[in-house]
Amino acid sequence: DTGVSQDPRHKITKRGQNVTFRCDPISEHNRLYWYRQTLGQGPEFLTYFQNEAQLEKSRLLSDRFSAERPKGSFSTLEIQRTEQGDSAMYLCASSPGWGRGYNEQFFGPGTRLTVL
Amino acid sequence: GQQVMQIPQYQHVQEGEDFTTYCNSSTTLSNIQWYKQRPGGHPVFLIQLVKSGEVKKQKRLTFQFGEAKKNSSLHITATQTTDVGTYFCAGHPGAGSYQLTFGKGTKLSVIP
Repeated sequence: DTGVSQDPRHKITKRGQNVTFRCDPISEHNRLYWYRQTLGQGPEFLTYFQNEAQLEKSRLLSDRFSAERPKGSFSTLEIQRTEQGDSAMYLCASSPGWGRGYNEQFFGPGTRLTVL
Repeated sequence: GQQVMQIPQYQHVQEGEDFTTYCNSSTTLSNIQWYKQRPGGHPVFLIQLVKSGEVKKQKRLTFQFGEAKKNSSLHITATQTTDVGTYFCAGHPGAGSYQLTFGKGTKLSVIP
């Protein structure tokens, strides 16, 4: 399967704990995005990477959230001191950044986070 | 900040009826994308519109981008049960931003 993969698919944690999610984009896609989606809402943009550079972050994003893409391939999203309001589906997407479909975003299956 | 609004929030149609969802942005967009999300699934890209007044067709789906590049619509002709899902529009503001702002989506139910 050459699609976007995310790990883990589900995470249950207690309030105050730190969690880290991983995203493996489609190989050769140089653009990578993180989103958060809650029930009945559209995906909410969190951050964007072009290769290894984090070029954009949502102004609404708490400083408890941090993301990396160290070698321009996989990416990690860490949430520190989780709160119940962080419970959501965390989606990763990648796009080629070149060619005819340069902007088409391919989404992974998501990581569902539940904070107790 | 940029807001993208979609109506209606829900639509129930009889199989074979047409369906339309509308999208409005508070700001002019560089381009607009449409995605479909099946229940329990993740968003799947349908199309991107870039030009003012652009109309694109994919089989029974027709997408339009407004002249002012602030609104868009998706029309499905003769719905089928396979069309069930939530349809999202998502706007790119351009001007150096890569942020895609999604609407809340229109959830389509098709009654066989």
